[in-house]
Amino acid sequence: EAEVAQSPRYKITEKSQAVAFWCDPISGHATLYWYRQILGQGPELLVQFQDESVVDDSQLPKDRFSAERLKGVDSTLKIQPAELGDSAMYLCASSLQGSDTQYFGPGTRLTVL
Amino acid sequence: DQQVKQNSPSLSVQEGRISILNCDYTNSMFDYFLWYKKYPAEGPTFLISISSIKDKNEDGRFTVFLNKSAKHLSLHIVPSQPGDSAVYFCAASKETSGSRLTFGEGTQLTVNP
Repeated sequence: EAEVAQSPRYKITEKSQAVAFWCDPISGHATLYWYRQILGQGPELLVQFQDESVVDDSQLPKDRFSAERLKGVDSTLKIQPAELGDSAMYLCASSLQGSDTQYFGPGTRLTVL
Repeated sequence: DQQVKQNSPSLSVQEGRISILNCDYTNSMFDYFLWYKKYPAEGPTFLISISSIKDKNEDGRFTVFLNKSAKHLSLHIVPSQPGDSAVYFCAASKETSGSRLTFGEGTQLTVNP
């Protein structure tokens, strides 16, 4: 069964350092999403791509976060500089164009010290 | 502004009995609703969904009910099994075109043998 791949699974960094997360969506899924989940809360959308274009980044803290999907396949989410409050699970999801069902990867657990 | 709320942080049921998880929403523009299950250290797994044109959708042991007038949906699991123990998230989207999901806070379900 096809799955969304994410790496790394865990990342520990110090504040003010840069971190990057990678996501490879299910093959053929044109829509890719990055979510952040803080412990005890539901996931919140950071950015949504349709192919290589950003269609929704209204909740992305653009002063420190950036995301790209250069070839419309895999994607990278970067934080620079990391802050203590960025500690969370970062989830990537993908869906077929026009579908409302999103499939999630295993996530990257970020701890900022 | 919490547009999707799951008011019960936890629920405990006996194996073989029915589990009922509840979800309320405030945004009348939501027209598609999903339930996800999440195990620790894993990403959410899609369970079942329902469009606003329906009031019930069933898939095996899982049934989702939608009451649009009350802006309320529920997930019924019957019979409950110990492997169903997980965090369950309710999610909603507006316009059925792969738009962002708004998640509730989650309910921890524990099924006791």
